[in-house]
Amino acid sequence: DVKVTQSSRYLVKRTGEKVFLECVQDMDHENMFWYRQDPGLGLRLIYFSYDVKMKEKGDIPEGYSVSREKKERFSLILESASTNQTSMYLCASASMTGELFFGEGSRLTVL
Amino acid sequence: AQSVTQLDSQVPVFEEAPVELRCNYSSSVSVYLFWYVQYPNQGLQLLLKYLSGSTLVKGINGFEAEFNKSQTSFHLRKPSVHISDTAEYFCAVSDTGRNQGGKLIFGQGTELSVKP
Repeated sequence: DVKVTQSSRYLVKRTGEKVFLECVQDMDHENMFWYRQDPGLGLRLIYFSYDVKMKEKGDIPEGYSVSREKKERFSLILESASTNQTSMYLCASASMTGELFFGEGSRLTVL
Repeated sequence: AQSVTQLDSQVPVFEEAPVELRCNYSSSVSVYLFWYVQYPNQGLQLLLKYLSGSTLVKGINGFEAEFNKSQTSFHLRKPSVHISDTAEYFCAVSDTGRNQGGKLIFGQGTELSVKP
C-alpha cells in the first residue's frame, strides 16, 4: 500500500521558534509538495520539488523554506514561527499522471 | 492563471438522497481535473480524475463526475448518499504541461453533511 508519512500529527510551538515538518514517501515519486490548509481557503501550495536538491516556490512561500536531500524525504521549515502560520500542513507526492498522494497532515499551533 | 470555484461551501442532505457538488474552473490551457475527499482528521484521498477520453468519469464509493468543456465545469454526483459520505470534498485542476505533475490548484472545499 502506498504511503506518505508525516512525522508529527500535532505540534504546539511558541512565536519565534524554528519548526521542522518532515515527510517521507515510499512510492519512488519524483515530485513532492507542501500545502497549507485553512478553513474557507482550501489548499494552498507552499513549495514543491521535482527532484533531489531542487525546489520551486508555490503560491505562498513567504516565511517558509524546504529541503530535499533524498528522493523520499521532503522537509518544510519555518525559520521563525508566527501566529499566522497556525494551520494544517499537508505533504503529498505525485504519480506520473499527476495524482497526489497525501499524508495525514500536521496540525501546527503557534502561540 | 488557473482557478477553481466550488459553488457551495456546505451541502446538507438526507441519507439516500442524491447529491451534486458543483465545481467550475478557469484555464487558458488543457487541464486535468480531480476530486478529492477528506474525512475528519485525515489527509486527502482521490475520488476520481479526468485526464482524457470519456467525459463521464466514475470513481470510488459510487461517485461520478462529468467534464463539460464548454461550461468549464466538473460537477460531482452520487445518486444515493450514505452517512459515511460525510466529509469535505475538494475539486482541483492542473494543466497538462510537462513537469506539472501534481501541481494542482484546489477549490475552497465543500462540506457534505449527510443526515439520517
